[in-house]
Amino acid sequence: KAGVTQTPRYLIKTRGQQVTLSCSPISGHRSVSWYQQTPGQGLQFLFEYFSETQRNKGNFPGRFSGRQFSNSRSEMNVSTLELGDSALYLCASSDTPGVRAKNIQYFGAGTRLSVL
Amino acid sequence: AQTVTQSQPEMSVQEAETVTLSCTYDTSENNYYLFWYKQPPSRQMILVIRQEAYKQQNATENRFSVNFQKAAKSFSLKISDSQLGDTAMYFCAFMTYNDMRFGAGTRLTVKP
Repeated sequence: KAGVTQTPRYLIKTRGQQVTLSCSPISGHRSVSWYQQTPGQGLQFLFEYFSETQRNKGNFPGRFSGRQFSNSRSEMNVSTLELGDSALYLCASSDTPGVRAKNIQYFGAGTRLSVL
Repeated sequence: AQTVTQSQPEMSVQEAETVTLSCTYDTSENNYYLFWYKQPPSRQMILVIRQEAYKQQNATENRFSVNFQKAAKSFSLKISDSQLGDTAMYFCAFMTYNDMRFGAGTRLTVKP
């Protein structure tokens, strides 16, 4: 079974631009979560989608948004990029959301975003 | 607010020896899961071990085991017979129905 796939692996943008990152979950998984990883703040939860609906959202500004499609693939969008948005963005998928039996998150390799 | 604290930013251990990574957390929830994830230089996060809060028995996965002290809100990871491939960042994580938090990580280096 293929793992979680994130594209692209690397991205360079300039301030003010917008960016879209993609995540394809493990086949059969319907929950997708996004995280931002930076040296200063560590791993921070962005949001979680389940069955095309946003279940939870972390403490990030409205410039960060996402969506999930009927095939469970998810995209994350960041508008009006700032230098501080430079980070590794990780996507994780699981079969069920939140605290449920057997729920384990499987992570992708991430997208490294650099904002110049 | 729920928090996860890893007090050891860096640790090292000789190959074949045992090392313990510390993690404490704070929550008012009663139903939650705890995880240890490993992030090698390739940066893909890999689940090492998982513990349900309602289970008293400590989880074990081959060379990896945890010491879960619910009253103390402590969740340490013991790696036995350390191998060079264990070199990585290790993150302690805490999940409830609506939230998932990670610690700042411990960078573990296994020396030959």
